[in-house]
Amino acid sequence: RKEVEQDPGPFNVPEGATVAFNCTYSNSASQSFFWYRQDCRKEPKLLMSVYSSGNEDGRFTAQLNRASQYISLLIRDSKLSDSATYLCVVSNSGGYQKVTFGTGTKLQVIP
Amino acid sequence: DADVTQTPRNRITKTGKRIMLECSQTKGHDRMYWYRQDPGLGLRLIYYSFDVKDINKGEISDGYSVSRQAQAKFSLSLESAIPNQTALYFCATSERTGYYGYTFGSGTRLTVV
Repeated sequence: RKEVEQDPGPFNVPEGATVAFNCTYSNSASQSFFWYRQDCRKEPKLLMSVYSSGNEDGRFTAQLNRASQYISLLIRDSKLSDSATYLCVVSNSGGYQKVTFGTGTKLQVIP
Repeated sequence: DADVTQTPRNRITKTGKRIMLECSQTKGHDRMYWYRQDPGLGLRLIYYSFDVKDINKGEISDGYSVSRQAQAKFSLSLESAIPNQTALYFCATSERTGYYGYTFGSGTRLTVV
């Protein structure tokens, strides 16, 4: 089983739609969770951290389910500019915090 | 100027050649990393450094070496390039304590022919 798994997509959604991605992780000791956004041929950029209580940033909501070991990203009112690949990132704790990237979920928002 | 700068942006090289990728940062971060990205495999860690002169292997260090001679600079070398090292390479930095996310450079697209 991969340490971090994501559905590669693509998710093709119309503008204004709500879309959700999940990401599962295998290490129950994982401590920190993040979503990154990566545009084609560009560098990944931190979108948001994921907290146990869930967090929201405008149209984006991230949630963590430790019992089932997954995190989710919800995008409301999708914009054309949301088209990108969304990477799930999981970090453990300890002296060297091992950081594992998912392979990403591709989102295409259609006019 | 970008916080994390990588040079070159693109490079085509021949099998067996030595090549160096450069990374410099103005974030003042102590921790620096080199990743490669391949389609379907995600980002994989090559080497990382927590301070000047500190070098640690990542999950795919074979065929690569690094140098951290200054806090702001971290270079990656391919001693004898081979075609399966064709990939997109990213340098990243992070703060000393905890993990609060990386700042990535814009990447180097390397093709080994």
